[in-house]
Amino acid sequence: EPEVTQTPSHQVTQMGQEVILRCVPISNHLYFYWYRQILGQKVEFLVSFYNNEISEKSEIFDDQFSVERPDGSNFTLKIRSTKLEDSAMYFCASSEILGGDEQYFGPGTRLTVT
Amino acid sequence: DQQVKQNSPSLSVQEGRISILNCDYTNSMFDYFLWYKKYPAEGPTFLISISSIKDKNEDGRFTVFLNKSAKHLSLHIVPSQPGDSAVYFCAALGGATNKLIFGTGTLLAVQP
Repeated sequence: EPEVTQTPSHQVTQMGQEVILRCVPISNHLYFYWYRQILGQKVEFLVSFYNNEISEKSEIFDDQFSVERPDGSNFTLKIRSTKLEDSAMYFCASSEILGGDEQYFGPGTRLTVT
Repeated sequence: DQQVKQNSPSLSVQEGRISILNCDYTNSMFDYFLWYKKYPAEGPTFLISISSIKDKNEDGRFTVFLNKSAKHLSLHIVPSQPGDSAVYFCAALGGATNKLIFGTGTLLAVQP
């Protein structure tokens, strides 16, 4: 069964450093998403991406964040200058169509900012 | 932002019995609802969904009921199995947005 994959599973970084989280969505899906879950809190939407551009973003997704689809398979989330409060599980998801369709999640990357 | 609420943080059920997980929402623009299951150290796994034009959707042991007038949905699992033990998230989609709004989750423990 096709699945969303994410690397690395755990990333430790120092405050102020840049990190790139990588995702390979399901191959025939057209819509890609990043969510995060801070420990003990809800899963929160960050950004959605379609046709090589951002289609929607939350207030969390400020200028420190960016997303890219550098090739036909990868989808990346970059945080330019990490803060302590960026520590969270980051989940990538993909869906075949927009809205009304299931979004399939990857296993997540645990980001720890020290 | 409490648009989707799951008021029970945990639920314990005997194996073979029915599990009922509840979810309330406030935004009448939501038109699609989903349930996800999550094990520790894994991503949410899609379980079942329902469109706002329906009041019931069934898939094997899982049934979701939607009461639009009460802005309430529930997930029924019958019979419950120990492998169902996980955190269950209710999520909603609606309007022109494609972002999922999640509830806080309910930890289900199915006792053998």
